[in-house]
Amino acid sequence: AQSVAQPEDQVNVAEGNPLTVKCTYSVSGNPYLFWYVQYPNRGLQFLLKYITGDNLVKGSYGFEAEFNKSQTSFHLKKPSALVSDSALYFCAVRAGSGSARQLTFGSGTQLTVLP
Amino acid sequence: DTEVTQTPKHLVMGMTNKKSLKCEQHMGHRAMYWYKQKAKKPPELMFVYSYEKLSINESVPSRFSPECPNSSLLNLHLHALQPEDSALYLCASSQVDLGWVTGELFFGEGSRLTVL
Repeated sequence: AQSVAQPEDQVNVAEGNPLTVKCTYSVSGNPYLFWYVQYPNRGLQFLLKYITGDNLVKGSYGFEAEFNKSQTSFHLKKPSALVSDSALYFCAVRAGSGSARQLTFGSGTQLTVLP
Repeated sequence: DTEVTQTPKHLVMGMTNKKSLKCEQHMGHRAMYWYKQKAKKPPELMFVYSYEKLSINESVPSRFSPECPNSSLLNLHLHALQPEDSALYLCASSQVDLGWVTGELFFGEGSRLTVL
């Protein structure tokens, strides 16, 4: 079985400050990890993924995420938050084996960037 | 702009109505998905089509009936729904490479369904 946890339902940060949205995972074998963002009344948009290689992954809109195997974490980060980053963020995991054909999403974290 | 197009954006239906949700993509993806999402919750997988064949049905009630007429189109037929079926229904597509390696989904903006 695979699972992903987002321990914070809500994260508030001031504009211009760094932001972190936390994610931990549990999966058998090598994890494939993803971050998606959902703006109000919109579908989900892919931000970035970790499959293999460099532990620091860079994605869209200036976001990056750090894969930490020992802590089974994949936290999303951005050096300087924008008000327009306010949205619902989902971490997702799937097992690396070919038989896993679906993502398991976390419960989501609402990010609010305050002007 | 999303490359996965869903229609209608909003749908209100009674419990005895029959309606359909439609999804279209032109990215050449051969996997297509239906998800159901309640407010502020993660999307829940309903169905997966791979090469126009149903490959995953997540124990969805029979009042939801998916159809994949060709590689670009995905429909979700609705009949005798319940008020608790009110939700945002998201269509997504993805490549199918090396046993689903990429795992990157492209989502449409969703169809917001209200069942009265």
